[in-house]
Amino acid sequence: GIQVEQSPPDLILQEGANSTLRCNFSDSVNNLQWFHQNPWGQLINLFYIPSGTKQNGRLSATTVATERYSLLYISSSQTTDSGVYFCAVEDYGNNRLAFGKGNQVVVIP
Amino acid sequence: EADIYQTPRYLVIGTGKKITLECSQTMGHDKMYWYQQDPGMELHLIHYSYGVNSTEKGDLSSESTVSRIRTEHFPLTLESARPSHTSQYLCASSESPIKGAGELFFGEGSRLTVL
Repeated sequence: GIQVEQSPPDLILQEGANSTLRCNFSDSVNNLQWFHQNPWGQLINLFYIPSGTKQNGRLSATTVATERYSLLYISSSQTTDSGVYFCAVEDYGNNRLAFGKGNQVVVIP
Repeated sequence: EADIYQTPRYLVIGTGKKITLECSQTMGHDKMYWYQQDPGMELHLIHYSYGVNSTEKGDLSSESTVSRIRTEHFPLTLESARPSHTSQYLCASSESPIKGAGELFFGEGSRLTVL
């Protein structure tokens, strides 16, 4: 099946700093989502972004499908941004998402 | 905003007990999924459904079973719980595009501990 690699696995940020998380995938995709898992374990939708660029407040994401990667940008990070960020992709013909191992982000005040 | 609910949120039980984790959604989504996640690890799909009376096994082998009698309800059952079943179970649903899984929305999860 499709492989999903996220980097960096762990990231510590000072509050106010910017960061970029990366998701590489091994095959063509027709679906890509970014999620944030909060400390209580709930997965929150951030972006549904099989291609192109989207922005939502301090977060933005870009997917370059032809080069098989997606980036999640966090600007002016806040302590509430702490948690694990997951990238999930679906390859053509397979009606389910495969998840990466996540980016563990800790924002310190 | 998605409305998908899981109960119980936390459950501690003894080995050999039968348990059912409930999942309900109010969006009328056709597709529903169960994922299993160990602490700090990635999610693994264990069951999914494309609609009423449709259930399929996912990528990770699981001793659990599911049913889909109503569109809004997708319960997961363990007939005889073991300590190896200790994990978080996450339910999700999505609209049904012509192709693909669609955009997934997750419930809050059920944390199961089997002693």
